[in-house]
Amino acid sequence: QKEVEQNSGPLSVPEGAIASLNCTYSDRGSQSFFWYRQYSGKSPELIMFIYSNGDKEDGRFTAQLNKASQYVSLLIRDSQPSDSATYLCAVSSSASKIIFGSGTRLSIRP
Amino acid sequence: DTAVSQTPKYLVTQMGNDKSIKCEQNLGHDTMYWYKQDSKKFLKIMFSYNNKELIINETVPNRFSPKSPDKAHLNLHINSLELGDSAVYFCASSQVVNFVSEAFFGQGTRLTVV
Repeated sequence: QKEVEQNSGPLSVPEGAIASLNCTYSDRGSQSFFWYRQYSGKSPELIMFIYSNGDKEDGRFTAQLNKASQYVSLLIRDSQPSDSATYLCAVSSSASKIIFGSGTRLSIRP
Repeated sequence: DTAVSQTPKYLVTQMGNDKSIKCEQNLGHDTMYWYKQDSKKFLKIMFSYNNKELIINETVPNRFSPKSPDKAHLNLHINSLELGDSAVYFCASSQVVNFVSEAFFGQGTRLTVV
């Protein structure tokens, strides 16, 4: 079992709709959870982090964490073509270990 | 004013050669990493250093040897390069702030072994 699992996609969402990205993790000791966005040929950049159960909102983005179910999600409201990218879920169990999933490719169709 | 910089950006070399990738961060972070990203975009951790000390070595072949002369630098030397080493290698750094450790990435080095 992979430490961090994501559906590879592609996930196709119409412009203006809500995109929902999901991630599960295996280490119950994980403390911090991240969503990174990576455009083709570029390096990953942080969108959001969350460490408490529940929802965390930042603009059009909402991260959701359920530690009991070992599940993290990212919702993108009012999806824009510029949101088309690969979204990487990452999990940290210590300061020196950040483990990434294989990413979900998101495509926003006009 | 790049936070995490790695060189070179592109590296094309023949099988069997030895090559190095350099990484420097000016963020004052204690922890630095090397990640390998394959053609399927899977970003796999290779090494993690904290204050020049090796913390994580994720079953990487010993042809890969990281070196951290100080906490701002983490270089990666690869001996006897193989075709399967072709990938994008990312350097990253992080620091724990309020229990959260966010990773900042360099621009990546695309290594092609022919």
